[in-house]
Amino acid sequence: QVHLQQSGPGLVKPSQTLSLTCAISGDSVSKNDTAWNWFRQSPSRGLEWLGWTYGASKYYNDHIRSVRGRITINPDTSKNQFSLQLNSVTPDDTATYYCARAKGGTFAYWGQGTLVTVSS
Amino acid sequence: EIVLTQSPATLSVSPGERATLSCRASESVTSNLHWYQHRPGQAPRLVIYGASTRATGIPARFSGSGFGTEFTLTISSLQSEDFAIYYCQQSNAWPWAFGQGTKVEIK
Repeated sequence: QVHLQQSGPGLVKPSQTLSLTCAISGDSVSKNDTAWNWFRQSPSRGLEWLGWTYGASKYYNDHIRSVRGRITINPDTSKNQFSLQLNSVTPDDTATYYCARAKGGTFAYWGQGTLVTVSS
Repeated sequence: EIVLTQSPATLSVSPGERATLSCRASESVTSNLHWYQHRPGQAPRLVIYGASTRATGIPARFSGSGFGTEFTLTISSLQSEDFAIYYCQQSNAWPWAFGQGTKVEIK
């Protein structure tokens, strides 16, 4: 059974970097047929798909203009996990962040969610 | 790029009643259309994949239908745990896309 366990701080100061990690059990971040994703959700914007790491490639959702150029998603094969970094955060980045696995076109497994508040 | 439009934005339904949610694609996605439920404070959950197949553990009161550009998610008799936001998602063409969501609220 696949399980995704998120970790990371719930409070980040403006202009700093938001860093979250998603530890994988029951699957591998290295598999070439599986993508490892980050989403965020807020009442004002709904569910936003931020991007993924997929084998040797990355995808960042260009439609989310507010995160363009600030986001990095990286795999860590030694720890079987992947991470999200969002630089230069503002209060507008306050949201619940989720990691998720994509396979066969669907997102069937999700992390528990991390509420990240950007505030001084 | 394919755009998914969900309607209505909000659906007010009494417990025990039927809820019908719509998702329209800007071009054909064949049957590569999936539905997710997102309850407050919980992770999203896959409900229907391939337009009409219930995901593991999803009750039979959930059903999906459609092909091409018009899709429907039906909840036959709403239970308290079904009040949530529902999103459709297509995986037929890159980039994949999500609809903006339909909130099912208690009437």
